[in-house]
Amino acid sequence: GAGVSQTPSNKVTEKGKYVELRCDPISGHTALYWYRQSLGQGPEFLIYFQGTGAADDSGLPNDRFFAVRPEGSVSTLKIQRTERGDSAVYLCASSLYSRGLSTDTQYFGPGTRLTVL
Amino acid sequence: AQKVTQAQTEISVVEKEDVTLDCVYETRDTTYYLFWYKQPPSGELVFLIRRNSFDEQNEISGRYSWNFQKSTSSFNFTITASQVVDSAVYFCALSEAGYGGSQGNLIFGKGTKLSVKP
Repeated sequence: GAGVSQTPSNKVTEKGKYVELRCDPISGHTALYWYRQSLGQGPEFLIYFQGTGAADDSGLPNDRFFAVRPEGSVSTLKIQRTERGDSAVYLCASSLYSRGLSTDTQYFGPGTRLTVL
Repeated sequence: AQKVTQAQTEISVVEKEDVTLDCVYETRDTTYYLFWYKQPPSGELVFLIRRNSFDEQNEISGRYSWNFQKSTSSFNFTITASQVVDSAVYFCALSEAGYGGSQGNLIFGKGTKLSVKP
């Protein structure tokens, strides 16, 4: 089936504005991750959802960042009062979920490039 | 603490040369997973391989091969007879296994930019 999709592909906003970034995971994948990638760096973990709940949000940099996944499929990353330092590519990944001692492979979307002017 | 180090920032080779990308990791866990992803200029991360910490067998897939050595905490990636289409940034990543329903987020290295010139 289709891979992970993310919209918009590019978002330009002004400092202080609110933005929403959307992720549509691979069908059937219950685990969903958000990462942020700054120029010249590897992706950095933000938050992980298992179903509808955030299982681990330890990577969110501050309380301006929030994410939801109300129906266990599509997720929205929300950034309030954007700052220039928030400029980065925001990547979403999804994976199958299996209980116990395992880590399933994460498949990534194309990312949303956020530019805060 | 978890950490992945890719010491090579950029590598440039001529087509048909072999090239090895280094990856060194740190973890306190005995059970963990290692990954390689490719990020072409288009930007999308493409999964290449996943290995668990109990399987030290080397793996070959076409022109790609991986050498996993727990004794040196390394998981190196070799491309044989490189091609221009191999030009990309390659990331090594580590994940500790999840317990009781949780899954490990990925810890990435900073990546190695490979340029293959014709």
